Amino acid sequence: QVQLQQRGAGVLKPSETLSLTCVVSGGSFSGYYWSWIRQTPGKGLEWIGHINHGGTTYYNPSLESRATISIDTFQRQFSLIMSSVAAADTAIYYCARGRVLVLGTYIDSWGQGSLVTVSS
Amino acid sequence: EILLTQSPATLSVSPGETATLSCRASQTIRNNLAWYQQKPGQAPSLLIYHASTRATGVTAKFSGTGSGTEFTLTISSLQSEDVAVYYCQQYNNWPPYTFGQGTKLEIK
Repeated sequence: QVQLQQRGAGVLKPSETLSLTCVVSGGSFSGYYWSWIRQTPGKGLEWIGHINHGGTTYYNPSLESRATISIDTFQRQFSLIMSSVAAADTAIYYCARGRVLVLGTYIDSWGQGSLVTVSS
Repeated sequence: EILLTQSPATLSVSPGETATLSCRASQTIRNNLAWYQQKPGQAPSLLIYHASTRATGVTAKFSGTGSGTEFTLTISSLQSEDVAVYYCQQYNNWPPYTFGQGTKLEIK
């Protein structure tokens, strides 16, 4: 049974950098897409991007210029860094696991969520 | 970017009855659609993938149908534990993966 435990959250000031880490326990670390998804009352669920075991990343074009996802297969964890945050980045951020399919992925496991608030 | 439109926004159903939730895609996504359930204060959880395949551990009261642009999630024998927001997600055309705005299911 896979478990995804998120670290990092809290309050940031505009223009600061967001940093979140997700530690994966149980299950295989390869053969999946490791994703970051955020949720706001206004925009709902928004996919940020994902990375595979080999380090290949894909991003939402709307966030690609500010988001970086990295992976540490030895530590079984992956991370999200988002630069130049603004109030619109206030959200609950989820890490998640997606099945690798011929086409894309759906999410079969989610982290507990981390509230990130951007406020001056 | 594929737009997913869910309807209705809120659905109120009596206990024991059946709820029917809709998800419409702005262009064909074949059967590359998943449904999630999100209970208050929790992360979403997978119910259905490939439009009609139940995820591991999901009861048969949840069923998904559809292909192309029109999809339905049906929840039978409604109970209080089914109160949640239900989301659809497409994985046919990406990036980005996109989600519907959700249907909030209430019990009368």
